[in-house]
Amino acid sequence: KNEVEQSPQNLTAQEGEFITINCSYSVGISALHWLQQHPGGGIVSLFMLSSGKKKHGRLIATINIQEKHSSLHITASHPRDSAVYICAVTANAGELVFGAGTILRVKS
Amino acid sequence: GAGVSQSPSNKVTEKGKDVELRCDPISGHTALYWYRQSLGQGLEFLIYFQGNSAPDKSGLPSDRFSAERTGGSVSTLTIQRTQQEDSAVYLCASSPEVGAYEQYFGPGTRLTVT
Repeated sequence: KNEVEQSPQNLTAQEGEFITINCSYSVGISALHWLQQHPGGGIVSLFMLSSGKKKHGRLIATINIQEKHSSLHITASHPRDSAVYICAVTANAGELVFGAGTILRVKS
Repeated sequence: GAGVSQSPSNKVTEKGKDVELRCDPISGHTALYWYRQSLGQGLEFLIYFQGNSAPDKSGLPSDRFSAERTGGSVSTLTIQRTQQEDSAVYLCASSPEVGAYEQYFGPGTRLTVT
C-alpha cells in the first residue's frame, strides 16, 4: 500500500464546476503539499499545510490530521486548470513522498 | 529573483555512457532535493543535501548514481554506465532549510537512454 493515496486518478469536469481531489496518507507527517504540473511543464507548489484550511484565489486546501486526509477544491473551474494535481507529504528529512497524481481535464 | 535552474533540459545518451545533470538552487537555500519522475513509477525521492552534506543516500536507485554539492550551491547528479531504465525526468528542488518548508522545483532534465 502506498503511503500517499489520491483519488480520483482521472477527473473530467465541465467549465464552472466545483472540483474536489482527495488525498489520504498512512504515516505521521509534519506537512502536506499540493502541487500542480501542467503538461510538459514544471511542478509548482500550490499549498503547504499542516492543519486547518488555506485558500488562494479559487483554490482551497483542507487537512484533517486525525483522519489523515486532505482535500483540494477548485471553485468555478476553468480549462486553464487542466493539469496534474499531486499530493505529497513531508517525510523525515524534508523530502517529499508523492501520491500518484490526479489528471484533471476541464472542458469548455 | 531567479528560480531553480537545471541543465541540460534534454539529454539523449547511449546505454553505457556516463551523464551529469546540474541543478542551480535558489540563492541562500540550504536544502536541495533530487527527485525522479518516470512513466511507470511516478515521482520518487533520490537524495537530499543540507548544505554540502548528503546525510542519507539510501534513496539512490543503485551505486551507479552519485551526487555532490559544492559551495552550498550547485549540485550535480551523476549516473554512470546508464541503462534504459534510467530514462526519466530528473527534478531538483530547493527550500530555505531542511524540513517542512515549501519546495521550489526546477524545470527538470529529461534523460533518454537509447
